[in-house]
Parts: sequence; C-alpha cells; structure tokens
Amino acid sequence: QSALTQPASVSGSPGQSITISCTGTSSDVGGYNYVSWYQQHPGKAPKLMIYEVSNRPSGVSNRFSGSKSGNTASLTISGLQAEDEADYYCSSYTSSSTLGVFGGGTKLTVL
Amino acid sequence: QVQLQESGPGLVKPSQTLSLTCTVSGGSISSGSYYWSWIRQPAGKGLEWIGRIYTSGSTNYNPSLKSRVTISVDTSKNQFSLKLSSVTAADTAVYYCVRWVRGGNWFDPWGQGTLVTVSS
Repeated sequence: QSALTQPASVSGSPGQSITISCTGTSSDVGGYNYVSWYQQHPGKAPKLMIYEVSNRPSGVSNRFSGSKSGNTASLTISGLQAEDEADYYCSSYTSSSTLGVFGGGTKLTVL
Repeated sequence: QVQLQESGPGLVKPSQTLSLTCTVSGGSISSGSYYWSWIRQPAGKGLEWIGRIYTSGSTNYNPSLKSRVTISVDTSKNQFSLKLSSVTAADTAVYYCVRWVRGGNWFDPWGQGTLVTVSS
C-alpha cells in the first residue's frame, strides 16, 4: 500500500488533455512544495518530468504541467501524443521517518 | 552530465546478502548539494525508496527495511553501495541508484537499473 494515492489508470485520445491526481496528507503533499512526477516507459528507468510541484526540467515538453491544491497534487498532459503512453509516479517529501514516498503509479493509455 | 550505473550480482540465494554498487560519472559524489539513494521496483509494481547517504556518510533508511540495510560511500572511487541482508523472494526487484537533490527533494538522474533475483 503506497503512501500517496494515484488512480490506477487513465486514458485519452491524441490531442486531448488528461490529469493524474496524487493524494497525500498534510505531512507530505499538503505540507511541502516538494512534489515531483516521473514518467516510466516499459523496461526503462523513471524520468523526472516535474519537480517542486510545477517546475519542468530542461528538455521536458511544456505539454507537461503540475499543480497542487491542499493535499492533492496533479499532473496535466495536454496535446496527448502516442509517446506519452507510460506509467507515471508522483513523489513527495514527507515529515515521517520514511522521508521519501511514492504514489502507486498511474498507467496512461493513449487511445 | 551526471550518469549513474549499478553493478552487482543478478542472482542471490535466500538468506544471503544482496550487494550492489553505483558508480557516479560526470560529477563528484562529494558535492554537498545531493544525497545518493537506492530505490527498488518489484516486477509490475511501484517504486520503493530504500535509503540514502550524504557525502559525509550520514544515512537515512526506510523504516520497513532499516534492520537489513546498509548504505556506504567511497568518495575516492566516486561510488556508493547497498547491502541488504537476509534476503527473501520478496526482495526480488529492479534496483535503481538515484541522485536525490537536497532542498528540492527530487530524484534525478536515475541509473538504468539492475534486476536482482532472489532464488536458490
């Protein structure tokens, strides 16, 4: 059982927008602006897509954006493309002794 | 740019100790801006943070694994290592070494990962 809750799957058609939620508590997502998002294609290592809630690393498409409201963070992908089909994981700093927690992951299917 | 590469046995017998090393290239492991971390992922499952080490040797571990985990650093070789004792089949996973950015608390970059199977 993951510390952060994500939907198991989401889907969308090319060109559409989708949003993946990541729900935690005031001890993690709600308490700090340290939410990050990772994209993982099959057989590959995760790749950082968003850090500190809404910042994009250099080289990541501006179709990817992040936000947070209360204890829930969100990743939005606009203008869906076939290459976006992957698993997505959120992570947050936590004041608990675990220090780093992940969501269970969301499988994005591009129809 | 910084790259990380895991190395170690791909097969470990039950009750034995899993040992992996991560070699950091393109940057110094002694940089004060980062922690160096291990994360694992069982097949078809999510990510689990194992622990981290700072250049000083200070460590933090996931409480669920703390009794079995040791992470160490060798700054002269620009490497850090993971030891997980008393392994069982439940420890079978892809193990990633990752740089954890201090202050911002995000993981980047990741090593390519190495599959460790626990089986007799």
